[in-house]
Amino acid sequence: EPEVTQTPSHQVTQMGQEVILRCVPISNHLYFYWYRQILGQKVEFLVSFYNNEISEKSEIFDDQFSVERPDGSNFTLKIRSTKLEDSAMYFCASSEGYTGGGTEAFFGQGTRLTVV
Amino acid sequence: RKEVEQDPGPFNVPEGATVAFNCTYSNSASQSFFWYRQDCRKEPKLLMSVYSSGNEDGRFTAQLNRASQYISLLIRDSKLSDSATYLCVVNSNSGYALNFGKGTSLLVTP
Repeated sequence: EPEVTQTPSHQVTQMGQEVILRCVPISNHLYFYWYRQILGQKVEFLVSFYNNEISEKSEIFDDQFSVERPDGSNFTLKIRSTKLEDSAMYFCASSEGYTGGGTEAFFGQGTRLTVV
Repeated sequence: RKEVEQDPGPFNVPEGATVAFNCTYSNSASQSFFWYRQDCRKEPKLLMSVYSSGNEDGRFTAQLNRASQYISLLIRDSKLSDSATYLCVVNSNSGYALNFGKGTSLLVTP
């Protein structure tokens, strides 16, 4: 069964450092997303990406964050200067169609980011 | 008002029991509704989409009341493997984002 894969599974970084979280969405999917979940809290939307551009972003997704689809298979989330409060599980997701139309979003297994 | 609200539980039920979860959402323009399941420290996985007419998938029944902005999930004949957190999910205004509730925790005991 096709799946979304994320690397690394766990990343520890020092405050102020840049991190890049990597994702390989399902191959025929056209919509890509990043979500995060702080321990004990709800899953929060960060950004969606379609047709090589950001289609929507949340208030959390400020200038410290950026996304890129550098080739036909990878989708990355960069955090420029990490803060302690960026510690969370980051989930990449992809969907074949528009979730507003009821299409399922498939989530990767997550990257646990710990900022120390 | 939170966008998606759920009773956090936990719901502790014996095997074989029927359990119901409720969810309310604030955006009357939402068009897509889902129940996802999340096991501890794992990714969310789609359990079922929720349609206006209500829908059933085996032991699971989902219902939507647009007038009351209310979604429900009924699990019949609970199994030990149903123990998880159940997430109510509603699409955003633009449709590109999914808004998650905080989840309802279910523990099914022998």
